[in-house]
Amino acid sequence: DIQMTQSPSSLSASVGDRVTITCQASQDITKYLNWYQQKPGKAPRLLIYDASRLETGVPPRFSGSGSGTDFTLVINTLQPEDMATYYCQQYENLPLTFGGGTKVETK
Amino acid sequence: QLQLQESGPGLVKPSETLSLTCTVSGGSISNRSYYWGWIRQPPGRGPEWIGSVYYVGTTYYKPSLQSRVTISVDTSRNQFYLKLSSVTAADTALYYCARNVLGESLEGFDYWGQGTLVTVSS
Repeated sequence: DIQMTQSPSSLSASVGDRVTITCQASQDITKYLNWYQQKPGKAPRLLIYDASRLETGVPPRFSGSGSGTDFTLVINTLQPEDMATYYCQQYENLPLTFGGGTKVETK
Repeated sequence: QLQLQESGPGLVKPSETLSLTCTVSGGSISNRSYYWGWIRQPPGRGPEWIGSVYYVGTTYYKPSLQSRVTISVDTSRNQFYLKLSSVTAADTALYYCARNVLGESLEGFDYWGQGTLVTVSS
């Protein structure tokens, strides 16, 4: 199985900050990476696919980059509604695997 | 708007079989562009893919669960199903059904149910 490692596991940030979350794959997954946002008591929401493509309806302050084994999710100008846990997920190989999550909290 | 809804018992005894149903509305489960998947999330942990099914019945499972998992589909009811046998406390989790995008292979999950908590306890 491909292991997905996210860092940090949690962070505190203020509204208006730029937030960066990283995801590292245990082997080359080219561009086959998704990012999800999960709010408490809700299902995950797909934000980004193919490492950098924004899902329909996702605000442009979210962006993704990377290829190979190292990927980044950036939230520009953090908003109150962005407080959530973020997960990466690879689809280079089966089984599909997720990272452990990064919880973004208000400072 | 596509909607998915999980249903099934919230409490299962150890060694028994967990059975869940996912009902899809607002779209056809026979859409050739998608598989239909089950994902679980233990409390405080990341999601774990269990497996996915195509409308014709083709399935893919997580290898470590494959011996205990059966996922099936009923296109006439627009439903798909999860059975997980010989459950233990380690199977306690929030179980989600979701639409699994099909590209060259299985990709991401773009529509999710609200999730159903299944507790394994005697």
